[in-house]
Amino acid sequence: EPEVTQTPSHQVTQMGQEVILRCVPISNHLYFYWYRQILGQKVEFLVSFYNNEISEKSEIFDDQFSVERPDGSNFTLKIRSTKLEDSAMYFCASTLGQGPTGYTFGSGTRLTVV
Amino acid sequence: GNSVTQMEGPVTLSEEAFLTINCTYTATGYPSLFWYVQYPGEGLQLLLKATKADDKGSNKGFEATYRKETTSFHLEKGSVQVSDSAVYFCALTEGGGYQKVTFGTGTKLQVIP
Repeated sequence: EPEVTQTPSHQVTQMGQEVILRCVPISNHLYFYWYRQILGQKVEFLVSFYNNEISEKSEIFDDQFSVERPDGSNFTLKIRSTKLEDSAMYFCASTLGQGPTGYTFGSGTRLTVV
Repeated sequence: GNSVTQMEGPVTLSEEAFLTINCTYTATGYPSLFWYVQYPGEGLQLLLKATKADDKGSNKGFEATYRKETTSFHLEKGSVQVSDSAVYFCALTEGGGYQKVTFGTGTKLQVIP
């Protein structure tokens, strides 16, 4: 069964550093997403991406965040200057978009900012 | 805006007990409804879904019925196992299936032998 692959599974970074979280969505999917889950809290939408541009973003997705699909297979989330409160599990997801099929989520990257 | 409300956990049950996790939703349109499961240390997995009123989603012995009149999508299982211990998230999307997912807060289920 096709999978959404995320790397790394766990990343520790110092406050103020830039991090890039990587995702390989399912190959024929057209819509890509990032969500985050702060420990013990609900899963929150960050951003959706379609046709090489952001289609929607949440209030959380401020100027410190950016997304890119650099080569047609990878989908990245960059945090320019990490803060302690960015510590969370970050999930990538993709969907074909034809009908409410439900997303396929990756297994997540746990980001710890120290 | 859209929202999903789940019963608070944790829910602790003995093996073979009956499970119900309540979920109600608020949506501006006609949403599709989902249950996702997150096993310890793992990501989100789609457990089941329903796309229209009175649809019943089912998988691995779990069931949920889309009740438009009560705006509910309660998760049930007749006989839980220890391996069902996880966090369960009720969720919805609107539109063509590419819209963002709105999640509930999650309900932690612990099944004891």
